[in-house]
Amino acid sequence: EAGVAQSPRYKIIEKRQSVAFWCNPISGHATLYWYQQILGQGPKLLIQFQNNGVVDDSQLPKDRFSAERLKGVDSTLKIQPAKLEDSAVYLCASRLGLAAANEQFFGPGTRLTVL
Amino acid sequence: GENVEQHPSTLSVQEGDSAVIKCTYSDSASNYFPWYKQELGKRPQLIIDIRSNVGEKKDQRIAVTLNKTAKHFSLHITETQPEDSAVYFCAAGAKEGGKLIFGQGTELSVKP
Repeated sequence: EAGVAQSPRYKIIEKRQSVAFWCNPISGHATLYWYQQILGQGPKLLIQFQNNGVVDDSQLPKDRFSAERLKGVDSTLKIQPAKLEDSAVYLCASRLGLAAANEQFFGPGTRLTVL
Repeated sequence: GENVEQHPSTLSVQEGDSAVIKCTYSDSASNYFPWYKQELGKRPQLIIDIRSNVGEKKDQRIAVTLNKTAKHFSLHITETQPEDSAVYFCAAGAKEGGKLIFGQGTELSVKP
């Protein structure tokens, strides 16, 4: 089966600019996650969707980050305006459902550099 | 808040030796503990996981142990090979919601 797809793979912007990332989860996966992975650290959850509803966005900096999953399939993550500390890899992951028995599959990530 | 501590941050072993990575977690509601391997520039990939009703699980050269009382779990890799070199992340998840809290990662280097 096809894996989690993300685009773009790389993005370089200047601080205060805006940027958007796209994720297409594995077909049929109801749960979708966005993680931020700063160099040398583990992934940190930003937001979790179940279908098109938000389950957890407690770690999302809502003054500058937003995410949506309007039709319960693809998702976009936006940063506006970007700061230097937003430089990281943004990973999208999906899983079949909420049960812990379901494996979480990661996409290749988008590497963001903010200058 | 929820936290996962992982040690060591770097680990260097000779080919054929064993490697052990340890993690502790803070949320007593956690009952799912996956381990991910991430090669440079690539996505994290699940290598093994364990659930709270099991104390140990083994898959060929990889094993994971869990001590729920101590909130501690470990990854054991035996007969290490150069292709085992990567960053390994532990994580802890609660039964509902599937949210994972990741450790800081261990960079494993296996020298031929």
